[in-house]
Amino acid sequence: AQKVTQAQTEISVVEKEDVTLDCVYETRDTTYYLFWYKQPPSGELVFLIRRNSFDEQNEISGRYSWNFQKSTSSFNFTITASQVVDSAVYFCALMNRDDKIIFGKGTRLHILP
Amino acid sequence: GAVVSQHPSWVICKSGTSVKIECRSLDFQATTMFWYRQFPKQSLMLMATSNEGSKATYEQGVEKDKFLINHASLTLSTLTVTSAHPEDSSFYICSARDLGRYNEQFFGPGTRLTVL
Repeated sequence: AQKVTQAQTEISVVEKEDVTLDCVYETRDTTYYLFWYKQPPSGELVFLIRRNSFDEQNEISGRYSWNFQKSTSSFNFTITASQVVDSAVYFCALMNRDDKIIFGKGTRLHILP
Repeated sequence: GAVVSQHPSWVICKSGTSVKIECRSLDFQATTMFWYRQFPKQSLMLMATSNEGSKATYEQGVEKDKFLINHASLTLSTLTVTSAHPEDSSFYICSARDLGRYNEQFFGPGTRLTVL
């Protein structure tokens, strides 16, 4: 089965706090890709990162960082020093060799001023 | 580069009418495009895979006669919602796979459909 689980439906933090969004995936394939997307109220998906299954290096991009651990099938996303503009729905997603992207249910993040 | 557009960005129609949504890859060729549907406060669900020059393949539970997909060129796929009903109101998003970049998919901005 191919599945992406984002257990956190909604999170609220105060501005400048760090926040981690969890993502756990299931797949039978050995080759796959993992993604994170941001969806602001406008609805347009904003691509944040793509990671292939052979690259377990953690990634940092400004205030964003990602922790990929194949041993636990997790691909967590951390925002450091959160800002109000980070408020959005964040989707973790999985793509196998058939190129179909399976999305998690999303985590709605509220950054409170 | 790698821009995907959708038209219209939003549409309101009466129940029983048909609505066509276009998905275009503006600066690359896409043999494969995907159509997703997103109900309010829910996730994106893949509806169908659109292949240039051949029939689309639909995910389980998606009515192919209701959601007609045509992928007539390497830069255009269309989704027609036939005899739309209020329950078809949703956000429809397409993605296009870049022929020149294996496995890279780019999403359109989405089309919000409201059926009265």
